[in-house]
Parts: sequence; structure tokens; C-alpha cells
Amino acid sequence: DIVMTQSPLSLPVTPGEPASISCRSSQNLLHTNGYNYLDWYLQKPGQSPQLLIYLGSHRASGVPDRFSGSGSGTDFTLEISRVEAEDVGVYYCMQGLQTPFTFGPGTKVDI
Amino acid sequence: EVQLVESGGGLVQPGGSLRLSCAASGFTFSTYWMHWVRQVPGKGLVWISRIKKDGSDTWYADSVKGRFTISRDNAKNTLYLQMNSLRAEDTAVYYCGRDAAGAGPTIDFWGQGTLVTVSS
Repeated sequence: DIVMTQSPLSLPVTPGEPASISCRSSQNLLHTNGYNYLDWYLQKPGQSPQLLIYLGSHRASGVPDRFSGSGSGTDFTLEISRVEAEDVGVYYCMQGLQTPFTFGPGTKVDI
Repeated sequence: EVQLVESGGGLVQPGGSLRLSCAASGFTFSTYWMHWVRQVPGKGLVWISRIKKDGSDTWYADSVKGRFTISRDNAKNTLYLQMNSLRAEDTAVYYCGRDAAGAGPTIDFWGQGTLVTVSS
């Protein structure tokens, strides 16, 4: 199975300041079609997960442009340009290259 | 508006069975692959199963293979997860999710989840 790791696991943030989360996979997630099969999800307190970024760098519909994803292969980053209070929650990366699809352990972001 | 509503969770004894349902609305259910993902309260997300849009192919995590069966009824816009031989470690919130139908198995919409508790 592909193992996903994230750092940090806990991230205190300040509104208006940038924030960054790293995600690493044990195998290359670059598909032969040129896409990295890496998604980012946010689970806000008491809610279901919601999609933020898909295929490494594509922002999902309705996601504010302060969120961006980058990286390729085994190293990926989620960046928030200016954190807002509503961004608190747990952020997960997930690899979709092969089953079983696997999630990172999550990064808890709080103010 | 896309909606996914899970039901069927509850308390079951070890070794017992339970069938979860996920009622879909707001989109053409029969044209989307679907997933089940679970989460032990306070812990991380674990993918457990996926099914093709016509039900012709399925995939499972090793932890549930042979015990859980994913299926769907496109006429009823409903996804199912039949869970047999349940264990304490199956206790979790179970989410159904819609596959975004893009290049990868991105889950673009999630249900609110249903809690399954396996305990005597």
C-alpha cells in the first residue's frame, strides 16, 4: 500500500498570515497521463470532509483562491495565502493512484 | 444540489451484520462511480470501497475484503454497503462519496455519515 505522511500534524495559525502543509507519498503519484493523483480535503469541526484540491493542483469548484496545491511525484504542498477563521479543521491528503486509496494522518489547523 | 444521505447505522454485536444505504439526489446517479470511506471518531479517514457506475466492478480495502459488499441500485439512486462478520474495529462513521468522474478517484461530494458501533 502507498503510505502517506503529512507535516506538521498540528499547525497553529494566525488570521491573515500564510500557512503551508506538506504531504509525502511512499510512491510516485504521477500517472502516465501526466496528472498527479493527489487530492486535498478539509474536514471542518463536526462536518464531513470537503474537497479542496484535486490532481495535485486543481482547485475544486467554490474553493477560495487563497488555497493552492503544488508538487509532483512524491512531494506535495497545500498553501493558504492568508488564513481566515473559517479555515480551521483537519486537512487530509489522499492518493488515488492505486487501491487501496490512502489518506495522510491529517494536519489539524487551528487559530 | 447534490445530496448524499447515509442511513442504516446503529449498534450491532460482534459477528453481526448491518446494511448501510446512501440515497443520492441532485445528480444523475447512474453516471458516477461511488465510494465508501470510514472514520473512527477522533481519528483519520480510511477508504474502504469503490464501485463502478454500472456496478460491474468493485474494489475493497484488505481490512473489509470478504466481509463487506458494495452494491448499488441505479433505479433507486441508492448505494449500499453490506457489512457482515462485524468486529469491534469496524466501529466508525461511514461516509459515502461521489467520484468526481475526472482523471482520478477524487471524491467531490460526501454524505453526512452514519455511525456504526460494534459492541456487545
